[in-house]
Amino acid sequence: DAGITQSPRHKVTETGTPVTLRCHQTENHRYMYWYRQDPGHGLRLIHYSYGVKDTDKGEVSDGYSVSRSKTEDFLLTLESATSSQTSVYFCAISEQSPSEYGYTFGSGTRLTVV
Amino acid sequence: KNEVEQSPQNLTAQEGEFITINCSYSVGISALHWLQQHPGGGIVSLFMLSSGKKKHGRLIATINIQEKHSSLHITASHPRDSAVYICAVTQYQLIWGAGTKLIIKP
Repeated sequence: DAGITQSPRHKVTETGTPVTLRCHQTENHRYMYWYRQDPGHGLRLIHYSYGVKDTDKGEVSDGYSVSRSKTEDFLLTLESATSSQTSVYFCAISEQSPSEYGYTFGSGTRLTVV
Repeated sequence: KNEVEQSPQNLTAQEGEFITINCSYSVGISALHWLQQHPGGGIVSLFMLSSGKKKHGRLIATINIQEKHSSLHITASHPRDSAVYICAVTQYQLIWGAGTKLIIKP
């Protein structure tokens, strides 16, 4: 779906290195979310944003930071990657929260920390 | 206890069978979502509903607010329906179920 793109799609990095994942949207939606998906856990919210420079923590925010300097971009940073952060990361967008209009998801970023 | 429970966790059926996936939740919600995740990983929103029933093609979703229960039905199932189906509810944020892995055999 061209409305939301994630980059990179795949990344392998070493323990202790910083990593930044990018989510870019062309829908001008106010809300953006970062989730991680792990076997047996479903999707868990890391951080979300409700506007430019407005962000808040989700249930699994430790070890992650985010930034949103423009409506269209929401960056997720792992300051010092650990093996427990090996996961598939999904970005999502919505017009409102709690959403009355549904969510659109990116294709995911598969991150492996070795 | 999880706030959103799905059943079954895994379901294997033959092509053409009628499929039902159930979702129960224990919190007050403003909406319930059904999503589909294919083996390739992409997540697609199927339905969002707060009451009654919605239908799209061979997919039907129902919700009973009083019983805090929703069902997703697939009629005339096909191998391309094989995917993980996820129920999620909107409270202040999305609360996700663990998903139901559906395999339709030809």
